Amino acid sequence: GNSVTQMEGPVTLSEEAFLTINCTYTATGYPSLFWYVQYPGEGLQLLLKATKADDKGSNKGFEATYRKETTSFHLEKGSVQVSDSAVYFCALIAGTSYGKLTFGQGTILTVHP
Amino acid sequence: DVKVTQSSRYLVKRTGEKVFLECVQDMDHENMFWYRQDPGLGLRLIYFSYDVKMKEKGDIPEGYSVSREKKERFSLILESASTNQTSMYLCASSLLSGQGVGKAFFGQGTRLTVV
Repeated sequence: GNSVTQMEGPVTLSEEAFLTINCTYTATGYPSLFWYVQYPGEGLQLLLKATKADDKGSNKGFEATYRKETTSFHLEKGSVQVSDSAVYFCALIAGTSYGKLTFGQGTILTVHP
Repeated sequence: DVKVTQSSRYLVKRTGEKVFLECVQDMDHENMFWYRQDPGLGLRLIYFSYDVKMKEKGDIPEGYSVSREKKERFSLILESASTNQTSMYLCASSLLSGQGVGKAFFGQGTRLTVV
């Protein structure tokens, strides 16, 4: 079946540090890949996406590149801010799945001033 | 602004009660989903629906049922609540096809405690 594995958390960084959150996946065919973010007290929202191999999704200074050869979609940001503190979820849609998202376990990010 | 609205933010129910969680979306989306969020387990899909009166089991449907009588409303039913159903429940909606596939809009969640 389809699955998403994220790096163990929580992740704690100082402001302006470099962020990487690893995500790997298992899926049939050629999935579309997503990062969602959940800020404290809010619902999940789409952060970025990539729909085919070598695509780079980007938004709010975050980037992730769809790597088919390593089945990965790692999230990166060059300089994090306190306001980036949130839970980050990697997800995929595979094949003819009616747009059904399969999520990873989530990574808690805390950024200190 | 687009919205997915869940009827309650917090609920406390007793073991054995029948529990209804309601979700309404105003975006005319075909797809609606119910997920359960638990620490360390991420989001797990309970049920989804891609059309009125259509429903499909997700990964953890046991102990739950759903109802979709109107396009905008998707209800999750716990037939007989148990303590292991204490969790955060998230409703979401999305388009069924096109560029919007995968861009799901989530409600703020219902934190259910079964005592």
